[in-house]
Amino acid sequence: AQSVTQLGSHVSVSEGALVLLRCNYSSSVPPYLFWYVQYPNQGLQLLLKYTSAATLVKGINGFEAEFKKSETSFHLTKPSAHMSDAAEYFCAVSESGANSKLTFGKGITLSVRP
Amino acid sequence: DAGVIQSPRHEVTEMGQEVTLRCKPISGHDYLFWYRQTMMRGLELLIYFNNNVPIDDSGMPEDRFSAKMPNASFSTLKIQPSEPRDSAVYFCASSFREGGEAFFGQGTRLTVV
Repeated sequence: AQSVTQLGSHVSVSEGALVLLRCNYSSSVPPYLFWYVQYPNQGLQLLLKYTSAATLVKGINGFEAEFKKSETSFHLTKPSAHMSDAAEYFCAVSESGANSKLTFGKGITLSVRP
Repeated sequence: DAGVIQSPRHEVTEMGQEVTLRCKPISGHDYLFWYRQTMMRGLELLIYFNNNVPIDDSGMPEDRFSAKMPNASFSTLKIQPSEPRDSAVYFCASSFREGGEAFFGQGTRLTVV
């Protein structure tokens, strides 16, 4: 069975600082991996996805993530945080193959200090 | 396309009443998912459909919950009877292929008093 672990529930960074949100996954077959962002009172919006092509994936709003099979990780980074990045971030995994479904982590709330 | 459309956006109902949540997926998408989001449990997959057929309903909490997809452009999630512990935000999402990213609706915030 597939699963996602996002350690911690809250990360706080200063504006302009590096953002690092951690995600580890478990999957019995090659995974597809996703990061979503949720702003208050909104649905989830896709930031980026890994689907077995390049291991370094670039997404919207300056975010990127690197797939590391040996570490079963897919950490999300952004070199310089902006106030507008404050939101909740979810890592998700689905398994290649028919009838796959997205399994989400618990989510991490990112706060950005002025 | 207008994206995934859910209605209503907010629903307040009394315990014991029937509640029906509605979803219109993105045209051409083959998969439709219903999720529930709460502070305690995060995002939980309740059920998903492929080509209007329910594939996995193992996340449906109990028999009070039921979901249907009568055609490719419409799905409902029904709770009967509703209970206060059903209070949550319910999201519908759709995707066009297996393993593809899911596109989410704005959600329905359900409050059962």
